[in-house]
Amino acid sequence: GAGVSQSPSNKVTEKGKDVELRCDPISGHTALYWYRQSLGQGLEFLIYFQGNSAPDKSGLPSDRFSAERTGGSVSTLTIQRTQQEDSAVYLCASSPNPRFTGELFFGEGSRLTVL
Amino acid sequence: AQTVTQSQPEMSVQEAETVTLSCTYDTSESDYYLFWYKQPPSRQMILVIRQEAYKQQNATENRFSVNFQKAAKSFSLKISDSQLGDAAMYFCACPRFYTGANSKLTFGKGITLSVRP
Repeated sequence: GAGVSQSPSNKVTEKGKDVELRCDPISGHTALYWYRQSLGQGLEFLIYFQGNSAPDKSGLPSDRFSAERTGGSVSTLTIQRTQQEDSAVYLCASSPNPRFTGELFFGEGSRLTVL
Repeated sequence: AQTVTQSQPEMSVQEAETVTLSCTYDTSESDYYLFWYKQPPSRQMILVIRQEAYKQQNATENRFSVNFQKAAKSFSLKISDSQLGDAAMYFCACPRFYTGANSKLTFGKGITLSVRP
């Protein structure tokens, strides 16, 4: 399949542990986004990568959250010292068009549960 | 800053009937795109329909159509001949026109649509 791939699909961790969530975008897509979806809430923007430009990190909720994108392809979202309020579905999306006119292609998300 | 408001958290429709999902937004941009996304239980967001703000004609995709009122900043989704497979969460989204480094989508909180057989 050529869709956006995210792993793990589900992750249960203990409070205080670090977690890494991975996103493999559609090949050739230059833009990559991370969103967070908490229970009963909409999608909260976290971070956006576009080609070689500096990422837009304006949505990251705290300095415990970071993300990187290696080689313009795979991205990893890292949450350090997880808290219970970090429990959510983390959605990754990619887009082929740097001049944004069209849709985002989403993965199935990674559900994070912090005990 | 952009805001997208979906004031109805839940709606229900009888199979084969028509339902309208409401959305209002606020943006300072003059040229932009609006989207409705569907999120079934599988969690994967799927684009339902797109509207270009500079076009006066409302977009239509099979059983899905929009009522776009630019002056009122309203963008509702109409689903005709509702089917059981339409049951999902529906999100309205408005982008920020590309100005350089930021072209993220702003989403509403979503509407949970149930379809009664």
